[in-house]
Amino acid sequence: QVQLVESGGGLVKPGGSLRLSCAASGFTFSDYFMSWIRQAPGKGLEWVSYISKSGTTGYYADSVKGRFTISRDNARNSVYLQINSLRAEDTAVYYCSRGQWLPDAFDMWGQGTMVTVSS
Amino acid sequence: EIVLTQSPGTLSLSPGERAILSCRASQTVSSNYLIWYQQKPGQPPRLLIYGASSRATGIPDRFSGSGSGTDFTLTISRLEPEDFAVYYCQQYGGSPPGTFGQGTKVEIK
Repeated sequence: QVQLVESGGGLVKPGGSLRLSCAASGFTFSDYFMSWIRQAPGKGLEWVSYISKSGTTGYYADSVKGRFTISRDNARNSVYLQINSLRAEDTAVYYCSRGQWLPDAFDMWGQGTMVTVSS
Repeated sequence: EIVLTQSPGTLSLSPGERAILSCRASQTVSSNYLIWYQQKPGQPPRLLIYGASSRATGIPDRFSGSGSGTDFTLTISRLEPEDFAVYYCQQYGGSPPGTFGQGTKVEIK
């Protein structure tokens, strides 16, 4: 069964940090670009970051550049998002997604993990 | 940077009716790299259409996508109860990556 399962979300104070994880199964993980996309409560979708198949290169939205770091472990079929210097506007559901055909053609999504930034 | 504008914001229709959703790009979408997603409350988006007009695996044929260049349309030929949801268009292969429209909500009239 092909699936993505995120974890690691929670309530964090402004300025704090979290590490999100996404475990993949049911497909050859190293064959795909992987992304994180977020959705603030009641709002639309915002691409955050994607990482190359080998894990050597990450790309970031301007809104998170310098604060978020994406990484992957192909041996563990997992992708991660280290999020630092959190702000209230980072409050969102964070989805892990697979890139089919192109890095940002998202054909599969996890159920998401909620990150709440509040004092 | 391409901006995608979806219209209308909300579409109020009855089951059995046809839904026509629009996605307009501020610049030409290269190679018609345009995706449509469906999202229901509490669920992640689901891929419906890619390449502007190709249905994803398992998507019923009442969903169809059309258009090219800057104007794209998602048509649901006859609305089923499970089709009431929010629909997003997204351009892929561009810079920056993963540009989404703001969404169209299809609600029960």
